[in-house]
Amino acid sequence: DAKTTQPPSMDCAEGRAANLPCNHSTISGNEYVYWYRQIHSQGPQYIIHGLKNNETNEMASLIITEDRKSSTLILPHATLRDTAVYYCIVRAFRYGQNFVFGPGTRLSVLP
Amino acid sequence: DAGVTQSPTHLIKTRGQQVTLRCSPKSGHDTVSWYQQALGQGPQFIFQYYEEEERQRGNFPDRFSGHQFPNYSSELNVNALLLGDSALYLCASSLYRGGGTEAFFGQGTRLTVV
Repeated sequence: DAKTTQPPSMDCAEGRAANLPCNHSTISGNEYVYWYRQIHSQGPQYIIHGLKNNETNEMASLIITEDRKSSTLILPHATLRDTAVYYCIVRAFRYGQNFVFGPGTRLSVLP
Repeated sequence: DAGVTQSPTHLIKTRGQQVTLRCSPKSGHDTVSWYQQALGQGPQFIFQYYEEEERQRGNFPDRFSGHQFPNYSSELNVNALLLGDSALYLCASSLYRGGGTEAFFGQGTRLTVV
């Protein structure tokens, strides 16, 4: 699976949009981009995933560049409860493929 | 619909002992994967079970073993515990043939080896 690069930490003001970038320049055509987050000492929580089109759900939006070499997770109105480590993972469309986690981005939402 | 459930939530063991952790997958899922997360690091893949067989394995020694039951639930066993085995152990459930779908994680079992 392609490797991902994320900034180690980011701050965001409460109520503002949080934009978390992820580089995956070696992504292959059959690889999806997934985002998970982990609030302190809890299990990772699924946020969103996509292949090449932009995706939106009740939690966030995922913007994937046309060349698919990078993506941005957008939390439209960040709250204090969004403070967590956010993981960007590239995962191939294969039976039983596991997830490979990097260090992620630690997002701090500030009051 | 219950999500992924893990038991126990916390456990303290002595070095050299053996431990068994349990996981019930999300309803409708047939695959269970186990991950180890040391403090301050991302989860590391241990192994995956589907149809009661180990399908993939990460870089973990044979002291780590597992089992999957006909109802898709799973156990992780660790023998001869070392201090370095202290970590959060996470279970994730998914569909084996759902290559473009998400996996769901349990809340984890915090293992402390003393």
